[in-house]
Amino acid sequence: KAGVTQTPRYLIKTRGQQVTLSCSPISGHRSVSWYQQTPGQGLQFLFEYFSETQRNKGNFPGRFSGRQFSNSRSEMNVSTLELGDSALYLCASSFSAGINEKLFFGSGTQLSVL
Amino acid sequence: DAKTTQPTSMDCAEGRAANLPCNHSTISGNEYVYWYRQIHSQGPQYIIHGLKNNETNEMASLIITEDRKSSTLILPHATLRDTAVYYCIVTYSGAGSYQLTFGKGTKLSVIP
Repeated sequence: KAGVTQTPRYLIKTRGQQVTLSCSPISGHRSVSWYQQTPGQGLQFLFEYFSETQRNKGNFPGRFSGRQFSNSRSEMNVSTLELGDSALYLCASSFSAGINEKLFFGSGTQLSVL
Repeated sequence: DAKTTQPTSMDCAEGRAANLPCNHSTISGNEYVYWYRQIHSQGPQYIIHGLKNNETNEMASLIITEDRKSSTLILPHATLRDTAVYYCIVTYSGAGSYQLTFGKGTKLSVIP
């Protein structure tokens, strides 16, 4: 069974640009969540989608957005990039994300903002 | 989410058991204890979780105290590949969505 796939693996952007990251969950998993990891703040929850609906959102500005498609694949978008957005962005999937679930993480997308 | 306290770092000799403690004194009755680990440059990996009873799987054992205020993750025979940051997380996992709140974790170094 293939794991969680995130593309691209590395990305370099400049301030003010926007970026879209992609996540393909494990087959059959309907919940996708996103996390940001930085050396200073550690791992922080961004948002979670289930059946194309955002069910939970972390404390991030509106520049961070996401969506989920009918095949459960998910994308997250960051607009007007800032230097502080440089981070490892991790996607995780689970079957239902509710009761007694465990998350399966991808290897992440390393975003560098110059 | 309840707050957890873990040692910053630990060493363990290869082949010996690694015992990683976690304090979660404010845990609520419906909150689970989860353990994940993160090997450098990879996404976190699920290890084990439990509510009240001790749990064991192919990777590790989880011992939860009777009052549920602390727990210990046990890797029975640590190998060099177990060198990672281990996160103890307490989170409500009920109906609807839930999220994981990661702390700083414990950096485990397995020594040859």
